Amino acid sequence: DIQMTQSPPSLSASLGDKVTITCQASQNINKYIAWYQQKPGKAPGLLIHYTSTLVSGIPSRFSGSGSGRDYSFSISNVESEDIASYYCLQYDNSPTFGSGTKLEIK
Amino acid sequence: QVQLKESGPGLVQPSQTLSLTCTVSGFSLTSYSVHWVRQHSGKSLEWMGRMWSDGDTSYNSAFTSRLSISRDTSKSQVFLKMNSLQTEDTGTYYCAREASGGLPGDWGQGVMVTVSS
Repeated sequence: DIQMTQSPPSLSASLGDKVTITCQASQNINKYIAWYQQKPGKAPGLLIHYTSTLVSGIPSRFSGSGSGRDYSFSISNVESEDIASYYCLQYDNSPTFGSGTKLEIK
Repeated sequence: QVQLKESGPGLVQPSQTLSLTCTVSGFSLTSYSVHWVRQHSGKSLEWMGRMWSDGDTSYNSAFTSRLSISRDTSKSQVFLKMNSLQTEDTGTYYCAREASGGLPGDWGQGVMVTVSS
């Protein structure tokens, strides 16, 4: 099974900052990576798929990039509504999630 | 609109079998696949398996021996059955419709399951 190493486990940012989360796969996943946002007590919501394709309705301050084994997810101009946990998911093979990153506001 | 809702017992005894139902609306199970994903409290997400639109199934190898996913298209329901439950199976179980590319897209609200005597 493909392992996804996600970092950092937590992040503290000021409003308006840019933050970046990374995921490294244990093998090439051919850009089949997605990013989810989960707020407390809620189900995850899909933000980005196929590395960088934004889901309809998701603000453009969310972005993704990468290739091969290494991928990143960024939020520019962090807003208070972005307080959540974020997870990567590889779906090149039997799907596996990263361990998550909890975003807090300073 | 697309909706998914999980249902099942909130409490299951160790060594017993968990049975969950995902009732969907707004789409056909013969056109979209449905995933099952679970989450231990405060922890990461774990993909469990998938009911494909053609009726085929795929499973996470970590669960293969004790997990079964089935469906009733006439009732728009997908079922999860997992046996030999242990306390480590405590968590929130979600079903999700596939999005473009096949990954989990639209999710249900989840159902919390506690394994305890």
